[in-house]
Amino acid sequence: GAGVSQSPSNKVTEKGKDVELRCDPISGHTALYWYRQSLGQGLEFLIYFQGNSAPDKSGLPSDRFSAERTGGSVSTLTIQRTQQEDSAVYLCASSRDTFYGYTFGSGTRLTIV
Amino acid sequence: LAKTTQPISMDSYEGQEVNITCSHNNIATNDYITWYQQFPSQGPRFIIQGYKTKVTNEVASLFIPADRKSSTLSLPRVSLSDTAVYYCLVGDASSNTGKLIFGQGTTLQVKP
Repeated sequence: GAGVSQSPSNKVTEKGKDVELRCDPISGHTALYWYRQSLGQGLEFLIYFQGNSAPDKSGLPSDRFSAERTGGSVSTLTIQRTQQEDSAVYLCASSRDTFYGYTFGSGTRLTIV
Repeated sequence: LAKTTQPISMDSYEGQEVNITCSHNNIATNDYITWYQQFPSQGPRFIIQGYKTKVTNEVASLFIPADRKSSTLSLPRVSLSDTAVYYCLVGDASSNTGKLIFGQGTTLQVKP
């Protein structure tokens, strides 16, 4: 597609439930990134995929968070046993390679109640 | 990864030129300087990227002095729609660990 697509755009879920967030990067972009942005805060790096290399998971805040990227394209970020502090906007970005500017999606606003 | 420092907020008026300066004293030889713009409820948008001297595109100019320890994003004749958060980032163009680390950014408020 023309841009990075994220779904759902909004998600409200009960504390303790699992959630899956989806990211469709721009076709041909080998690098894919997940960030999290809490209200009024900057972006917090979560995880980075580059081609077939092992992902850089250094930003994942706990083992409740995991992400996959299937076939070098679509990525899913999974949060298990959600907590209220997980409430944030989750942003996905892709780039042609590590050098060029990222293109961000519009994000998924996750609210844990 | 080089740490960046930029003002938390700035105010301006429509039609003025706005210059946002970012300090990156520990910038490495392979690092590039990139600026992003973020409107409320949207993901950041790439504005401009440079290595040294001056880069200009249809949106902004980026000035980088010879020592590369700082950079200045220049927005000509701002309008109300330029109200946004502006992030300065420094990253290694030669590394496969291409994640960019975002700081708090500069919140620019353009007034009528």
